[in-house]
Amino acid sequence: NAGVTQTPKFRILKIGQSMTLQCTQDMNHNYMYWYRQDPGMGLKLIYYSVGAGITDKGEVPNGYNVSRSTTEDFPLRLELAAPSQTSVYFCASRGTGGSPLHFGNGTRLTVT
Amino acid sequence: DQQVKQNSPSLSVQEGRISILNCDYTNSMFDYFLWYKKYPAEGPTFLISISSIKDKNEDGRFTVFLNKSAKHLSLHIVPSQPGDSAVYFCAAKEVRSQGNLIFGKGTKLSVKP
Repeated sequence: NAGVTQTPKFRILKIGQSMTLQCTQDMNHNYMYWYRQDPGMGLKLIYYSVGAGITDKGEVPNGYNVSRSTTEDFPLRLELAAPSQTSVYFCASRGTGGSPLHFGNGTRLTVT
Repeated sequence: DQQVKQNSPSLSVQEGRISILNCDYTNSMFDYFLWYKKYPAEGPTFLISISSIKDKNEDGRFTVFLNKSAKHLSLHIVPSQPGDSAVYFCAAKEVRSQGNLIFGKGTKLSVKP
């Protein structure tokens, strides 16, 4: 059982480039989340989804887009990369009720 | 403005002793609190949680205490083991939220043999 899988593990982007961070889960969870963690900081919510076809903004959505066409996948899109988006990105999912979040191992992104 | 605060960036404890990690919060609408543990190059993993209607929850060596009047919670690890060395994040969920968690900045625990 793979849980939450994120790809790639590492990426270096030039300013203005775009990329998609992939996230897939095999636990049939309805809820999925994207967080970013800057050095020395806690995790901040970028976007979340409560089910296929439904997405909503979190605390820091600017510069990002998401889609949720299937239960399993929740990709995060960066259209015009900026140095401020240098961070570690974590995808997470959870089941219904009060179940806790299950996190992927993260994608470390550097924008130069 | 931080709604969840972990004021100690690091903590060093001897193996076998108690580790106490602290967390303060400001939002009275939080109804559920969680602790996550994170090793380098891995995602956070769930450790233990507590509902706001309780003041204590225990799971093996880990106990979380909640003091609602002080808006304070703590995680006790007894006895501490070298494998407990990690960054510990306190997180909170607001009533009626979609499970969105607000995280503290984390405390790095080092357990020395």
